[in-house]
Amino acid sequence: DAGVIQSPRHEVTEMGQEVTLRCKPISGHNSLFWYRQTMMRGLELLIYFNNNVPIDDSGMPEDRFSAKMPNASFSTLKIQPSEPRDSAVYFCASSLGGGGGKQFFGPGTRLTVL
Amino acid sequence: DAKTTQPPSMDCAEGRAANLPCNHSTISGNEYVYWYRQIHSQGPQYIIHGLKNNETNEMASLIITEDRKSSTLILPHATLRDTAVYYCIVRLYSGGGADGLTFGKGTHLIIQP
Repeated sequence: DAGVIQSPRHEVTEMGQEVTLRCKPISGHNSLFWYRQTMMRGLELLIYFNNNVPIDDSGMPEDRFSAKMPNASFSTLKIQPSEPRDSAVYFCASSLGGGGGKQFFGPGTRLTVL
Repeated sequence: DAKTTQPPSMDCAEGRAANLPCNHSTISGNEYVYWYRQIHSQGPQYIIHGLKNNETNEMASLIITEDRKSSTLILPHATLRDTAVYYCIVRLYSGGGADGLTFGKGTHLIIQP
């Protein structure tokens, strides 16, 4: 079992650039979550999808952030334009409905915006 | 989701049982208690969850008080690899579509050699 796959693992970019983070959930899982972790704010839920449909995006900080899930095996989180305060570790997680509510997290993408 | 309170840090000797407490006095009748942990530089990892009965799996045991206002996660024989931040989370679980997790600050458990 490959687990949740995220790419890239590390991203360094300059302020104003577009950043796209990618996630492949565990095969068969029907829910996908994007979280962000910083020292100041801890782990925060940004958005989640059930059956590829966005359910709650109230955690998305600004319009600069957008997320898509075009199919059951792929999701993206895009930041455009990026700002230094977006520097954080971004985690993707997936879960299976009826699976006890357990979420499986990927290794994260460490984003640094200069 | 109900709020949880955990001590910010704890130490435990290697080979001993680590007992991590969590208070959730405002928990409602249909909310579950979940435990996750995060080892440094890794994504959070599910450990165990329960509603009102005590639960045990290959990783840990979960003891929930009868009034459900508090719980204890027990790692029976702690190893150095159990050093991590442990999060206690209270949430609804409907069995169908899933909801996101609300993480607090957790307890930083340090296993001493």
